[in-house]
Amino acid sequence: ELKVEQNPLFLSMQEGKNYTIYCNYSTTSDRLYWYRQDPGKSLESLFVLLSNGAEKQEGRLMASLDTKARLSTLHITAAVHDLSATYFCAFMNYGGSQGNLIFGKGTKLSVKP
Amino acid sequence: DAGITQSPRYKITETGRQVTLMCHQTWSHSYMFWYRQDLGHGLRLIYYSAAADITDKGEVPDGYVVSRSKTENFPLTLESATRSQTSVYFCASGTMNGGYTFGSGTRLTVV
Repeated sequence: ELKVEQNPLFLSMQEGKNYTIYCNYSTTSDRLYWYRQDPGKSLESLFVLLSNGAEKQEGRLMASLDTKARLSTLHITAAVHDLSATYFCAFMNYGGSQGNLIFGKGTKLSVKP
Repeated sequence: DAGITQSPRYKITETGRQVTLMCHQTWSHSYMFWYRQDLGHGLRLIYYSAAADITDKGEVPDGYVVSRSKTENFPLTLESATRSQTSVYFCASGTMNGGYTFGSGTRLTVV
């Protein structure tokens, strides 16, 4: 079964704290994508990770990929209220006739003062 | 305008009617996807396409039909709408290496 497990699904954290969101996927893939979604809005691309060991940073967010463990992490450093949103990871599945993108259920992050 | 556009943004339809949701992208991306987003289910893949005239079923294709005669368009048709198809529908396009951009979504209500 193709699946992506994100945890936690809900995360309430205080401003200034650090935390990590985990994304485990079920089958071999070398491409992992992170998205952000604000309430009532579309999905915004955050990171595209294309190989084992890839790491990317943007502001207070850093994403990494371990293809052997089928694990990606999204690390939040010194959280601020503006980071409150739902974060999704997705992996490229090469099964079938063509690649397709499989999403996790999302992690709803709430950053409180 | 450059980008990916979905239409309509909002749609209310009656059970049993046929509805078509439009998706248009201006980048000539090869890959296009249709997802539905429901509370508790996250994003579920309905159909996808790697190129014009090549489409494939995703996780929840029943009740939906797609076509892709031109690279830039990927319409999604609900052949006979049911209440369970009330959802927010997102179209996306992109490349494996560059990532995927999502449209602004269509909120569909079937009454």
